[in-house]
Amino acid sequence: GAVVSQHPSRVICKSGTSVKIECRSLDFQATTMFWYRQFPKQSLMLMATSNEGSKATYEQGVEKDKFLINHASLTLSTLTVTSAHPEDSSFYICSARGYYRQASSTDTQYFGPGTRLTVL
Amino acid sequence: GEDVEQSLFLSVREGDSSVINCTYTDSSSTYLYWYKQEPGAGLQLLTYIFSNMDMKQDQRLTVLLNKKDKHLSLRIADTQTGDSAIYFCAEDGGYQKVTFGTGTKLQVIP
Repeated sequence: GAVVSQHPSRVICKSGTSVKIECRSLDFQATTMFWYRQFPKQSLMLMATSNEGSKATYEQGVEKDKFLINHASLTLSTLTVTSAHPEDSSFYICSARGYYRQASSTDTQYFGPGTRLTVL
Repeated sequence: GEDVEQSLFLSVREGDSSVINCTYTDSSSTYLYWYKQEPGAGLQLLTYIFSNMDMKQDQRLTVLLNKKDKHLSLRIADTQTGDSAIYFCAEDGGYQKVTFGTGTKLQVIP
């Protein structure tokens, strides 16, 4: 079953408001979390990478002040879309890398179910 | 909920064919995707197949879909060292809600 959860799964907001999306790793500690944005029928675009307790590393072209990422603990990362506009409407996916099973000798990346953001 | 499973590792010799397998549970899947992730990079969409197709070929890539068994595979012919990466399968259950597998790490031995 899924080991990464996202909340909310869908959100509709008015232009100019801020929206927070939570990403949680369940039953494992995520050393690194990734935030992606997906456009229809296209590759996921990596927005930023974050390690617990440190500032996120943003990909080129992604506005830090627009997309605030807080990796507060080893199981929680949040993405806040500030002053959202219709062009921010998209599907946002987080993933978490960590050791899920004790028997696993390597860390694995697990993806959340995604959050559909619609900005009116 | 929906579940997508893949084996974690695959090791092949350069020049051989690679077959990466994936199983999924959502019978309402419309599209199924294969993504490639190279070290330090984001996901790159390799190919996708519509759920009413059995096979899709694109140069060295062949995707086979067995909808009855909910089994998807990606075959890479003449595997090269540049194909070493993690491959994710994903299923689109509608409303663009995509569920990803855990990824298969492909190691190509020269």
